[in-house]
Amino acid sequence: DVVMTQSPLSLPVTLGQPASISCRSSQSLVHNDGNTYLSWFHQRPGQSPRRLIYRVSNRDSGVPDRFSGSGSGTDFTLRISRVEAEDIGVYYCMQGTHWPPCTFGQGTKLEIK
Amino acid sequence: QLLESGGGLVQTGGSLRLSCAASGFSFNLYAMSWVRQAPGKGLEWVSGISGSSKNTFYTDSVKGRFTISRDNSKNTVYLQMDSLRGEDTAVYYCAKDYSLWNYDAFDIWGQGTTVTVSS
Repeated sequence: DVVMTQSPLSLPVTLGQPASISCRSSQSLVHNDGNTYLSWFHQRPGQSPRRLIYRVSNRDSGVPDRFSGSGSGTDFTLRISRVEAEDIGVYYCMQGTHWPPCTFGQGTKLEIK
Repeated sequence: QLLESGGGLVQTGGSLRLSCAASGFSFNLYAMSWVRQAPGKGLEWVSGISGSSKNTFYTDSVKGRFTISRDNSKNTVYLQMDSLRGEDTAVYYCAKDYSLWNYDAFDIWGQGTTVTVSS
């Protein structure tokens, strides 16, 4: 199975400041169809996960443009340009290229300083 | 929208059947999956089923104990869980999975249903 490794696991951020989360996979996530199935999810306390980004850099409908995804191969990054209070919670990366199983990172907990 | 039901408290070795009713998309065109989250832990994919039910998939820890199925006439996916263990205690989410066109997955999640396995 593909192992997804996130860093940091805890991310204290001041409101209005940028934040960045790294996600590395144990093998390339480029699919035979040419796409890279790397997604990012956000889970607020007590809520279901919500997909923010799919295929590395595509924002889902309704996701603020302060969220952006980048990367290729085995290294990926989620960036928040200016953190807002509603951004608190846990962020997960997930690969769907080498399925089954799809695999998630351990999660990064974003909190406000 | 996805709406799960069927969770509850069960003894070790017991069984539960989870249901997930879908609406708002062409259910039969999408695979569906179950993803669980143990208390205080991260997300773990458990099982998936193709749109036609032809293909089913399981994580190793539930193979032989869980069975995923779907009824496209009712827009519902099920997870039959037998021989339950303490480590199966979790919130179980159903999620809309890949389509015929690409492997983009999990754009829609249910609210989750809680399964507690107790001795």
